[in-house]
Amino acid sequence: EPEVTQTPSHQVTQMGQEVILRCVPISNHLYFYWYRQILGQKVEFLVSFYNNEISEKSEIFDDQFSVERPDGSNFTLKIRSTKLEDSAMYFCASSGAYYGYTFGSGTRLTVV
Amino acid sequence: AQSVTQLGSHVSVSEGALVLLRCNYSSSVPPYLFWYVQYPNQGLQLLLKYTSAATLVKGINGFEAEFKKSETSFHLTKPSAHMSDAAEYFCAVRSGSGNEKLTFGTGTRLTIIP
Repeated sequence: EPEVTQTPSHQVTQMGQEVILRCVPISNHLYFYWYRQILGQKVEFLVSFYNNEISEKSEIFDDQFSVERPDGSNFTLKIRSTKLEDSAMYFCASSGAYYGYTFGSGTRLTVV
Repeated sequence: AQSVTQLGSHVSVSEGALVLLRCNYSSSVPPYLFWYVQYPNQGLQLLLKYTSAATLVKGINGFEAEFKKSETSFHLTKPSAHMSDAAEYFCAVRSGSGNEKLTFGTGTRLTIIP
Protein backbone atom coordinates (compact mmCIF):
# COMPACT_ATOMS: atom_id res chain seq x y z
CA GLU A 1 0.00 0.00 0.00
CA PRO A 2 1.33 3.47 -0.87
CA GLU A 3 2.88 5.39 2.01
CA VAL A 4 3.76 8.94 2.92
CA THR A 5 7.42 9.01 3.92
CA GLN A 6 8.87 11.52 6.36
CA THR A 7 12.50 12.19 7.19
CA PRO A 8 14.12 12.44 9.62
CA SER A 9 12.13 10.56 12.22
CA HIS A 10 13.69 12.61 15.00
CA GLN A 11 15.56 15.90 14.86
CA VAL A 12 17.17 17.84 17.66
CA THR A 13 18.04 21.47 17.01
CA GLN A 14 19.17 24.48 18.97
CA MET A 15 16.83 27.38 19.51
CA GLY A 16 17.14 29.92 16.74
CA GLN A 17 18.34 27.43 14.16
CA GLU A 18 16.55 26.68 10.92
CA VAL A 19 15.13 23.23 10.31
CA ILE A 20 13.67 21.58 7.25
CA LEU A 21 11.34 18.64 7.61
CA ARG A 22 10.93 16.50 4.54
CA CYS A 23 8.07 14.48 3.18
CA VAL A 24 7.45 12.36 0.12
CA PRO A 25 3.68 12.24 -0.48
CA ILE A 26 1.88 9.51 -2.35
CA SER A 27 2.74 9.97 -6.00
CA ASN A 28 -0.72 10.48 -7.51
CA HIS A 29 -2.08 12.64 -4.69
CA LEU A 30 -2.87 16.27 -5.38
CA TYR A 31 -3.15 17.85 -1.95
CA PHE A 32 -0.49 18.09 0.73
CA TYR A 33 -0.66 19.05 4.36
CA TRP A 34 1.36 19.58 7.50
CA TYR A 35 -0.05 18.98 10.96
CA ARG A 36 1.53 19.37 14.38
CA GLN A 37 1.03 17.54 17.66
CA ILE A 38 2.56 18.98 20.79
CA LEU A 39 3.27 16.20 23.28
CA GLY A 40 0.09 15.03 24.96
CA GLN A 41 -2.15 17.33 22.94
CA LYS A 42 -4.36 17.02 19.91
CA VAL A 43 -3.28 17.10 16.29
CA GLU A 44 -3.48 20.61 14.83
CA PHE A 45 -3.66 21.69 11.21
CA LEU A 46 -0.83 23.91 10.01
CA VAL A 47 -1.12 24.31 6.24
CA SER A 48 -2.52 22.82 3.07
CA PHE A 49 -0.88 23.04 -0.34
CA TYR A 50 -2.32 22.52 -3.80
CA ASN A 51 -1.19 23.37 -7.30
CA ASN A 52 2.10 24.74 -6.01
CA GLU A 53 0.62 27.22 -3.61
CA ILE A 54 -0.75 27.42 -0.08
CA SER A 55 -4.51 26.96 -0.10
CA GLU A 56 -5.14 27.38 3.61
CA LYS A 57 -3.06 28.01 6.72
CA SER A 58 -3.81 28.18 10.39
CA GLU A 59 -2.91 30.94 12.81
CA ILE A 60 -0.06 28.76 14.00
CA PHE A 61 1.56 28.99 10.55
CA ASP A 62 3.18 32.40 10.94
CA ASP A 63 6.08 33.99 9.08
CA GLN A 64 8.54 31.58 10.69
CA PHE A 65 7.04 28.74 8.69
CA SER A 66 7.17 28.06 4.98
CA VAL A 67 6.38 25.13 2.71
CA GLU A 68 7.75 24.16 -0.63
CA ARG A 69 7.46 21.48 -3.24
CA PRO A 70 10.92 21.81 -4.77
CA ASP A 71 10.51 18.97 -7.24
CA GLY A 72 7.88 16.49 -8.32
CA SER A 73 8.16 14.30 -5.26
CA ASN A 74 9.24 16.17 -2.12
CA PHE A 75 7.19 18.44 0.13
CA THR A 76 9.06 20.36 2.81
CA LEU A 77 8.26 22.38 5.91
CA LYS A 78 10.83 24.96 6.95
CA ILE A 79 10.97 26.64 10.32
CA ARG A 80 13.32 29.61 10.02
CA SER A 81 14.22 30.33 13.63
CA THR A 82 13.06 27.60 15.95
CA LYS A 83 11.62 28.32 19.37
CA LEU A 84 11.27 25.98 22.33
CA GLU A 85 7.51 25.87 21.75
CA ASP A 86 8.06 24.47 18.25
CA SER A 87 8.99 21.16 19.85
CA ALA A 88 6.35 18.74 18.62
CA MET A 89 5.62 15.86 16.33
CA TYR A 90 5.09 17.08 12.79
CA PHE A 91 2.98 15.01 10.46
CA CYS A 92 2.86 15.29 6.71
CA ALA A 93 -0.25 14.06 4.88
CA SER A 94 -1.46 13.82 1.34
CA SER A 95 -4.84 13.20 -0.23
CA GLY A 96 -6.27 12.43 -3.61
CA ALA A 97 -9.29 13.86 -5.37
CA TYR A 98 -11.77 12.14 -3.11
CA TYR A 99 -11.58 10.84 0.43
CA GLY A 100 -8.20 9.22 0.78
CA TYR A 101 -6.07 10.94 3.40
CA THR A 102 -2.79 9.34 4.37
CA PHE A 103 -0.43 10.45 7.13
CA GLY A 104 3.27 9.88 7.40
CA SER A 105 4.80 8.45 10.55
CA GLY A 106 5.95 11.88 11.70
CA THR A 107 9.09 13.78 12.59
CA ARG A 108 9.67 14.44 16.26
CA LEU A 109 11.30 17.88 16.53
CA THR A 110 13.04 18.74 19.77
CA VAL A 111 14.26 22.30 20.22
CA VAL A 112 16.83 22.76 22.98
CA ALA B 1 -16.64 25.87 10.57
CA GLN B 2 -16.16 22.31 11.73
CA SER B 3 -15.32 20.86 15.12
CA VAL B 4 -15.15 17.59 17.00
CA THR B 5 -15.81 16.86 20.65
CA GLN B 6 -14.56 13.66 22.22
CA LEU B 7 -16.19 12.96 25.55
CA GLY B 8 -13.82 11.36 28.01
CA SER B 9 -10.10 12.00 27.74
CA HIS B 10 -9.45 8.65 29.46
CA VAL B 11 -11.45 5.47 29.18
CA SER B 12 -10.63 2.21 30.94
CA VAL B 13 -12.26 -1.10 30.10
CA SER B 14 -11.56 -4.67 31.11
CA GLU B 15 -10.14 -7.08 28.61
CA GLY B 16 -13.06 -8.70 26.78
CA ALA B 17 -15.47 -5.88 27.59
CA LEU B 18 -17.19 -3.54 25.17
CA VAL B 19 -15.23 -0.51 24.03
CA LEU B 20 -17.21 2.69 23.43
CA LEU B 21 -15.43 5.92 22.54
CA ARG B 22 -17.65 8.92 21.96
CA CYS B 23 -17.36 11.54 19.24
CA ASN B 24 -19.74 14.36 18.38
CA TYR B 25 -19.14 16.64 15.44
CA SER B 26 -20.22 20.00 14.12
CA SER B 27 -20.14 20.79 10.44
CA SER B 28 -21.95 23.27 8.21
CA VAL B 29 -22.02 20.78 5.35
CA PRO B 30 -22.37 16.99 5.25
CA PRO B 31 -19.22 15.75 6.91
CA TYR B 32 -16.67 13.10 6.29
CA LEU B 33 -15.68 11.50 9.59
CA PHE B 34 -12.63 9.53 10.60
CA TRP B 35 -11.21 7.63 13.53
CA TYR B 36 -7.44 7.38 13.91
CA VAL B 37 -5.41 5.37 16.41
CA GLN B 38 -2.02 6.39 17.72
CA TYR B 39 0.22 3.98 19.59
CA PRO B 40 2.95 5.42 21.82
CA ASN B 41 5.62 7.27 19.87
CA GLN B 42 4.04 6.33 16.56
CA GLY B 43 2.11 8.02 13.80
CA LEU B 44 -1.60 8.15 13.00
CA GLN B 45 -3.22 5.03 11.66
CA LEU B 46 -6.63 5.20 10.04
CA LEU B 47 -9.13 2.90 11.74
CA LEU B 48 -12.17 3.72 9.64
CA LYS B 49 -13.92 6.50 7.77
CA TYR B 50 -17.45 7.60 6.92
CA THR B 51 -17.87 9.17 3.50
CA SER B 52 -21.67 9.38 3.06
CA ALA B 53 -22.18 5.77 2.07
CA ALA B 54 -23.33 3.21 4.68
CA THR B 55 -23.93 4.73 8.10
CA LEU B 56 -22.38 1.73 9.88
CA VAL B 57 -18.73 1.64 9.02
CA LYS B 58 -16.44 -1.28 9.74
CA GLY B 59 -12.74 -0.71 10.19
CA ILE B 60 -9.60 -2.55 11.06
CA ASN B 61 -8.94 -4.54 14.23
CA GLY B 62 -12.65 -5.25 14.81
CA PHE B 63 -13.67 -1.63 15.32
CA GLU B 64 -16.79 -0.08 13.88
CA ALA B 65 -18.59 3.26 14.08
CA GLU B 66 -22.09 4.42 13.31
CA PHE B 67 -22.88 7.80 11.79
CA LYS B 68 -26.02 9.27 13.38
CA LYS B 69 -26.97 12.54 11.73
CA SER B 70 -29.79 13.28 14.17
CA GLU B 71 -27.37 13.03 17.09
CA THR B 72 -24.36 14.47 15.20
CA SER B 73 -22.39 11.54 16.54
CA PHE B 74 -19.86 9.05 15.25
CA HIS B 75 -19.07 6.81 18.23
CA LEU B 76 -16.43 4.10 17.95
CA THR B 77 -17.13 0.63 19.30
CA LYS B 78 -15.53 -2.76 19.59
CA PRO B 79 -17.40 -5.72 21.10
CA SER B 80 -14.46 -7.23 22.97
CA ALA B 81 -11.35 -5.30 24.02
CA HIS B 82 -7.87 -6.73 23.63
CA MET B 83 -4.76 -5.63 25.45
CA SER B 84 -3.34 -4.51 22.12
CA ASP B 85 -6.13 -1.91 21.80
CA ALA B 86 -4.49 0.30 24.42
CA ALA B 87 -3.70 3.52 22.58
CA GLU B 88 -4.84 7.08 21.93
CA TYR B 89 -7.86 7.43 19.66
CA PHE B 90 -8.67 10.56 17.69
CA CYS B 91 -11.91 11.42 15.94
CA ALA B 92 -11.63 13.84 13.03
CA VAL B 93 -14.02 15.67 10.70
CA ARG B 94 -13.57 16.98 7.21
CA SER B 95 -16.12 19.22 5.52
CA GLY B 96 -15.89 17.91 2.00
CA SER B 97 -13.37 16.12 -0.10
CA GLY B 98 -10.52 17.51 -2.13
CA ASN B 99 -8.48 20.13 -0.42
CA GLU B 100 -10.22 20.23 2.92
CA LYS B 101 -8.29 20.00 6.18
CA LEU B 102 -9.02 17.56 8.96
CA THR B 103 -10.09 18.91 12.33
CA PHE B 104 -9.22 16.58 15.20
CA GLY B 105 -10.73 16.04 18.57
CA THR B 106 -8.63 16.14 21.70
CA GLY B 107 -8.28 12.39 21.81
CA THR B 108 -9.27 9.58 24.16
CA ARG B 109 -6.66 7.44 25.84
CA LEU B 110 -7.93 3.88 26.07
CA THR B 111 -6.54 1.68 28.85
CA ILE B 112 -7.28 -2.04 28.95
CA ILE B 113 -7.43 -3.67 32.35
CA PRO B 114 -6.23 -7.31 32.40
